[in-house]
Amino acid sequence: AQSVTQLGSHVSVSEGALVLLRCNYSSSVPPYLFWYVQYPNQGLQLLLKYTSAATLVKGINGFEAEFKKSETSFHLTKPSAHMSDAAEYFCAVTRGAFGNEKLTFGTGTRLTIIP
Amino acid sequence: GAVVSQHPSRVICKSGTSVKIECRSLDFQATTMFWYRQFPKKSLMLMATSNEGSKATYEQGVEKDKFLINHASLTLSTLTVTSAHPEDSSFYICSARVPGENEQFFGPGTRLTVL
Repeated sequence: AQSVTQLGSHVSVSEGALVLLRCNYSSSVPPYLFWYVQYPNQGLQLLLKYTSAATLVKGINGFEAEFKKSETSFHLTKPSAHMSDAAEYFCAVTRGAFGNEKLTFGTGTRLTIIP
Repeated sequence: GAVVSQHPSRVICKSGTSVKIECRSLDFQATTMFWYRQFPKKSLMLMATSNEGSKATYEQGVEKDKFLINHASLTLSTLTVTSAHPEDSSFYICSARVPGENEQFFGPGTRLTVL
């Protein structure tokens, strides 16, 4: 079975400060990992994904994440927070094979940006 | 990028009635679609995997007879909530997988309120 744990259901950072959202995974096979962002009353938008290529993955809106196998982590970062980054962020894992593999989501982290 | 739409975006119905939610992949053919349910301030819970031309695969604890899923074409999957009750009120999100890819593209969600 696979799972992800997002530490911190709420994170607040000042505008312009570093954003760090934590995600740890558990998987018996090499995982594929994803970060999604959800704005209020909207669906999910993919920020970035790790699919066994480069361990440092760059995504949209200035976000990036690093896959660290030794730490079973895939933390999301952004050097300088913007007000528009305020949203709910979900980390997700899948086994990586093609077919009907399902995503397992973390519980989410609500990011608040302080002006 | 791949676009997934959902209709309606919001629906309010009386207890005991049935509600149908449509999920469409607009610019690609999706052999596999997924239906999720999201409770307020909670993560996404996978309800079922919908495969074109075959029966849906339901997750443990999801009532098949209550949440009817039909994937009649490569671009359309429907979720029908039968005999809806207030506890079925939730945000329902679908996603579709591009064939041969691991990424899921999410619809904007449908807010169901059962009175």
